[in-house]
Amino acid sequence: DAKTTQPPSMDCAEGRAANLPCNHSTISGNEYVYWYRQIHSQGPQYIIHGLKNNETNEMASLIITEDRKSSTLILPHATLRDTAVYYCIVRVLHSGGSNYKLTFGKGTLLTVNP
Amino acid sequence: GAVVSQHPSWVICKSGTSVKIECRSLDFQATTMFWYRQFPKQSLMLMATSNEGSKATYEQGVEKDKFLINHASLTLSTLTVTSAHPEDSSFYICSGQRSTEAFFGQGTRLTVV
Repeated sequence: DAKTTQPPSMDCAEGRAANLPCNHSTISGNEYVYWYRQIHSQGPQYIIHGLKNNETNEMASLIITEDRKSSTLILPHATLRDTAVYYCIVRVLHSGGSNYKLTFGKGTLLTVNP
Repeated sequence: GAVVSQHPSWVICKSGTSVKIECRSLDFQATTMFWYRQFPKQSLMLMATSNEGSKATYEQGVEKDKFLINHASLTLSTLTVTSAHPEDSSFYICSGQRSTEAFFGQGTRLTVV
């Protein structure tokens, strides 16, 4: 299973862009990179995912390097409500056949400051 | 996005009793649901994979007789913590799979006293 490495914490000023890095150097060719976030005492929230092309949606942008060994999640204009733990996950195959098992690492605690 | 609802949001129970947590996919059918557990200041740990109409698949170290999972329909999975002990106190979270995305419930805070 490909593992991910993220910084344990980051700070960002409100209104500025937040750039959250993730290393996944052992990713396989058919594995996607997913990003979720978890606000305190809530369930995780899906943000975005990608395979090799950069992706953008209403929440964020995902930049994946050409060799796919790392990626960056970009929140273009961070707000106080974006304070959360952000998880970078590489989708793995489940041994029982269900291929959408998600393995969570420790994530990055992003604190958006006023 | 799709909606997954968990009930209850929090529960306090006495040691030795059983507690049932429901996970419903409100606007989609989930053939597969996942149950996670999260202790304070730790990440989510997958407990089991719940498959509609068949037995759940448990992760290593998770007692299947203690954490009973039933996935009787495409929109409902339940987790029953049997003979609960204080060390079972945790945040339990379910997720339902729709297409390539997983949607999570809001979690259930279980406190065993």
